[in-house]
Amino acid sequence: DARVTQTPRHKVTEMGQEVTMRCQPILGHNTVFWYRQTMMQGLELLAYFRNRAPLDDSGMPKDRFSAEMPDATLATLKIQPSEPRDSAVYFCASGLGRLAGGLIFGPGTRLTVL
Amino acid sequence: AQTVTQSQPEMSVQEAETVTLSCTYDTSESDYYLFWYKQPPSRQMILVIRQEAYKQQNATENRFSVNFQKAAKSFSLKISDSQLGDAAMYFCAYRSTGNQFYFGTGTSLTVIP
Repeated sequence: DARVTQTPRHKVTEMGQEVTMRCQPILGHNTVFWYRQTMMQGLELLAYFRNRAPLDDSGMPKDRFSAEMPDATLATLKIQPSEPRDSAVYFCASGLGRLAGGLIFGPGTRLTVL
Repeated sequence: AQTVTQSQPEMSVQEAETVTLSCTYDTSESDYYLFWYKQPPSRQMILVIRQEAYKQQNATENRFSVNFQKAAKSFSLKISDSQLGDAAMYFCAYRSTGNQFYFGTGTSLTVIP
């Protein structure tokens, strides 16, 4: 049963610290999305990659957030420095081709910044 | 940009009954897909059902079916024979021609035993 994996599942850190979240998309999927979910804002798109190239990262605060795909099996989302307002659940989702089959979501990383 | 609207923040249904969750969207595109996702308390986002805009036939997956009204830009989800495990947040999503996904704000469904 193919699934998207995310690590860590939970992260508690102090303000100012660097946070790195990792995602392994489903093998063969060529599109990766990063979303952030909060009670107030709902699901927000942070970044979107196709064939490892970033296509849209307009939803991401550029001064502190960065997203990369070092290879086809790994996507990373980094926050440096982290702030309390970054506390949220971060989801990675992958898809194939024209995404007619929808996105398959990972379990999320719950981030708490103190 | 496309918008997806879920006007019912909360809904409830008696176990074994039927409930319909509403979703409308705004677009000028002709080639798009629509989806319903379920998010239970575990927070895992689960794809429930999908609809291709060019297909007139409404999609069905077991107890889940949609009522797709393209002219009205409406895409409602019907859950038949509701079960306790159906309790979750439900999100409507739109996939644009440019392969962007737009999500609604969600409807929280409570199933009453």
